[in-house]
Order: sequence, then structure tokens, then C-alpha cells
Amino acid sequence: EAQVTQNPRYLITVTGKKLTVTCSQNMNHEYMSWYRQDPGLGLRQIYYSMNVEVTDKGDVPEGYKVSRKEKRNFPLILESPSPNQTSLYFCASSFYRGYEQYFGPGTRLTVT
Amino acid sequence: SQQGEEDPQALSIQEGENATMNCSYKTSINNLQWYRQNSGRGLVHLILIRSNEREKHSGRLRVTLDTSKKSSSLLITASRAADTASYFCATDQGGAQKLVFGQGTRLTINP
Repeated sequence: EAQVTQNPRYLITVTGKKLTVTCSQNMNHEYMSWYRQDPGLGLRQIYYSMNVEVTDKGDVPEGYKVSRKEKRNFPLILESPSPNQTSLYFCASSFYRGYEQYFGPGTRLTVT
Repeated sequence: SQQGEEDPQALSIQEGENATMNCSYKTSINNLQWYRQNSGRGLVHLILIRSNEREKHSGRLRVTLDTSKKSSSLLITASRAADTASYFCATDQGGAQKLVFGQGTRLTINP
């Protein structure tokens, strides 16, 4: 089944404790992206990747890192999480930029 | 920057009625897409309309695009309780390497 998986689905952590949210797709998609969704602010892009080893900042990259060492994986790293990064995070992939995107189920992160 | 803006923000109708949502955007686009999101879940792609298309259908969905007015509408006919969700438009801008999402319309279908 074609899908985007994210782990963990729920995470509660404390300020400053490094964490990684994994994202994997099995559709051989070139393009992958991370979004955060907050009430009243909609869906905002954090980082995106056009292909392996090619990543770039989205609208709200501060406090986040990504890597794309393999085509299927695109982990999101929070080196020192802060409470303002409490949010619902989505990973998405598409065949190419501008094509329909397939979304993962989301990761609800709480930073205390 | 938010490119797509949906209108209305919330819509509540009776089952069986038609639901219409609108999306406006500011700059030229390659395509415009509509997505559905059930509460707290991942977005699901519904339909993509290219800038040179004016209308597209998919089942009970009808999307129109007016590039001169920089607007699009999504019509859901014969609504069902299962259509209750948030609906987002997203635009593929020419120069940007991303989709830009609006804030969504929350649709409630009352039985």
C-alpha cells in the first residue's frame, strides 16, 4: 500500500531534549516536505527536499533541521525543543514539486 | 506567506444539500489543489486543476478555476455526514518550490 509513515504519532517531551520525528514513503517520490499545523495559522511549511541531499527552508525553519540521505526517508530533528514548537506535524511526499501530495498521519508534539 | 484564502471559514448544512467553498489567491499559479482533512488526521488530496483548465469533476466534486479573478470554488453535491471535515486549497506558485495552503473551511454536515 502506498503510504507515508511517521513516528512517533504522539510525543510529550521537555524543553531542550533533542528529538527526531521520522518520515518514510514507499512511493519513490522525489519531493518531500514537513509542515506544522496550528489553530488559526493553517498549515505552514518547515522544510522541503527536492531529492536526495537537496533540502531547503520553508516558511518557518527556525529551530528545526532535516536531512535526506535516502530517497524514502526525511527525518525532522528538533535539536533543542521549546514550548512554541508544540504543534501537529505532518510529513508529505509527491512525485515532483507541484504534484498532488500524500500526507502522513501526523505527529502531535507537546513540549513542556 | 499565505497564498490561498478560503471562504467561508465555517459552513454548516443539512445532509443532502450542496456545499460550496471558495478560495482566492494572489499570484500566478501552475495549478490549484483541494485537500480534505478529517479532525486531526493527515490531509487527503481531492482534486488538482491546472491553470489552463476552467472546470474539473470527480464524483460528487466539482472544481472551477477563474485565473482572471484568481479564485477557485469547490462544490460538493448531495452532501453526506462523512463529508464533515476541513477543506483546504493549495496553490503551486510558479517560482516557489512548494504548495502554499490556505487556512481552510470547516464543513459540518448535519443529519
